Amino acid sequence: DIQMTQSPSSLSASVGDRVTITCRASQGISTYLNWYQQKPGKAPNLLIFAASASQSGVPSRFTGSGSGTDFTLTISTLQPEDFATYYCQQSYSTPYTFGQGTKLEIK
Amino acid sequence: EMQLVESGGDLVQPGESLRLSCAASGFTFSRYWMIWVRQAPGMGLEWVANIKQDGSEKYYVDSVKGRFTISRDNAKNSLYLHMNSLRAEDTAVYYCAKGGAGVFEYWGRGTLVTVSS
Repeated sequence: DIQMTQSPSSLSASVGDRVTITCRASQGISTYLNWYQQKPGKAPNLLIFAASASQSGVPSRFTGSGSGTDFTLTISTLQPEDFATYYCQQSYSTPYTFGQGTKLEIK
Repeated sequence: EMQLVESGGDLVQPGESLRLSCAASGFTFSRYWMIWVRQAPGMGLEWVANIKQDGSEKYYVDSVKGRFTISRDNAKNSLYLHMNSLRAEDTAVYYCAKGGAGVFEYWGRGTLVTVSS
């Protein structure tokens, strides 16, 4: 199975900050990497697919990059509604696996 | 408006069975892979199973193989998860999602399954 490791596990930031979350795969996955946002008590929401393609309706401040084993999700200017938990997920092969999550909290 | 509505979650004892349903509307159900993902209380996300548009391909995480069966009825726009021999570690919110084989584009709100004696 492909292991996905996110860093950091938690992050404190302020509105207006630029934030980067990293995801590393245990083997090369090309660009088969997706990012989700989950708010407490809610279902996850797809932000980025294929490493860098934005899902329809997602604000442009969310960008993804990377290929192979190393990926990043960047939020350019944090907004109050962005405080949530973020998950990466590989879609290269089954079992599809997620990172452990990065909880983004207000400083 | 696109909707996925899960149902069937319940409190059951270890070893018992349960069937989850997911009713889809607002999109052409038969055109999409469908997926079940679960989330144990306070934990991360775990892909459980997915099924191709015509039901000809199904894939499962190892921990549920032989116990869970994913199925769909395109005429009823419905997805199912039949769960047998339930264990305490199956306790989770179960989400259905639509998408490609490995991209989970849209999720329902989930249904809670609790396995406890």
